[in-house]
Amino acid sequence: DAKTTQPPSMDCAEGRAANLPCNHSTISGNEYVYWYRQIHSQGPQYIIHGLKNNETNEMASLIITEDRKSSTLILPHATLRDTAVYYCIVISTGANNLFFGTGTRLTVIP
Amino acid sequence: EAGVAQSPRYKIIEKRQSVAFWCNPISGHATLYWYQQILGQGPKLLIQFQNNGVVDDSQLPKDRFSAERLKGVDSTLKIQPAKLEDSAVYLCASRGGWGETQYFGPGTRLLVL
Repeated sequence: DAKTTQPPSMDCAEGRAANLPCNHSTISGNEYVYWYRQIHSQGPQYIIHGLKNNETNEMASLIITEDRKSSTLILPHATLRDTAVYYCIVISTGANNLFFGTGTRLTVIP
Repeated sequence: EAGVAQSPRYKIIEKRQSVAFWCNPISGHATLYWYQQILGQGPKLLIQFQNNGVVDDSQLPKDRFSAERLKGVDSTLKIQPAKLEDSAVYLCASRGGWGETQYFGPGTRLLVL
């Protein structure tokens, strides 16, 4: 599975959009981009995933570049409850397990 | 839909003692995973089950860790004897069909003194 690169930390003002980048320059054609987040003392929570098209759900939007070498997770109106570590994971369909890097620690500031 | 359940949530033991963790996956999910998460790091896979069979246990320290999923539903992870470096959060996750998303439980936080 392709590896990912994320900034170690980011801050975002409450109510503003949080844009979390992820580089996955070695991604291959059958690999999906998954985003999970982990709020303190909880298990990882699934957010969204995509292959090549942009995706949106009730939690977030995922923008994948045309060459698929990078993506951005967008939380449109960040709240204090969105403070967490966000993991970008690239994985092929049906692969055994998720490889978690160190993620991005997002702090939403009042 | 109920999520992945784990118990206990917290456990404190002394080194060389034994400990067991329990996981109940989402109903109908055939694949079950155990991950270990050391403080400050992302989760790392210990073992993966498909129904009641082991798919991948290459990262499981088999001299002290064991896991089973006898009826293809609940699973237990055991450590015997525990070492100080086993202090971590042990996460259980489950997945439905091929290519579907993994969902995680709340984890069991283990402290070995």
